[in-house]
Amino acid sequence: DVKVTQSSRYLVKRTGEKVFLECVQDMDHENMFWYRQDPGLGLRLIYFSYDVKMKEKGDIPEGYSVSREKKERFSLILESASTNQTSMYLCATQPRVSYEQYFGPGTRLTVT
Amino acid sequence: RKEVEQDPGPFNVPEGATVAFNCTYSNSASQSFFWYRQDCRKEPKLLMSVYSSGNEDGRFTAQLNRASQYISLLIRDSKLSDSATYLCVVDSGGYNKLIFGAGTRLAVHP
Repeated sequence: DVKVTQSSRYLVKRTGEKVFLECVQDMDHENMFWYRQDPGLGLRLIYFSYDVKMKEKGDIPEGYSVSREKKERFSLILESASTNQTSMYLCATQPRVSYEQYFGPGTRLTVT
Repeated sequence: RKEVEQDPGPFNVPEGATVAFNCTYSNSASQSFFWYRQDCRKEPKLLMSVYSSGNEDGRFTAQLNRASQYISLLIRDSKLSDSATYLCVVDSGGYNKLIFGAGTRLAVHP
């Protein structure tokens, strides 16, 4: 079974704080993704990575950055958290030869 | 226009009912199609892939109409445990990315 873990289930941060969300997978998948999910908007892609040290912008990268120093770990960074970044953040992995994505349990982030 | 459009619902149906969800997509280059299921406050999980010829998995049937860029999911003999949000998902036409619809909520009641 693929296991994707995320560092926190719930997180509360203050405006202006730097926030790190971490995702770790144990299935040696090449591709990793960060999404945010908001009511009525569905999942929106923030950043993705096809390999170590590679990153690509998704549809809504503004205000975010990512890091992939090891294959199993993909971090999402909010440089200066703002209230409009309050959301559910979902990490996903995907083997290169398939479109099937496996999701972590999500981090519900609240920025006050 | 959204790339993947779904009726948000909710669809409220009694146990045993048959219910159908539809989805339209805008990118004619998309080649892979899926339905994911998401339970309340949980992560999405793959329910089934959708093939051109249509496919069935137990009580679930998925169909694709490429000409109309339309995907459907039929659930027969609904169970209480089918209550969830169903996400229509298509590939972006390249780059291994997926585009997710906002989901259709199903509530099955006794």
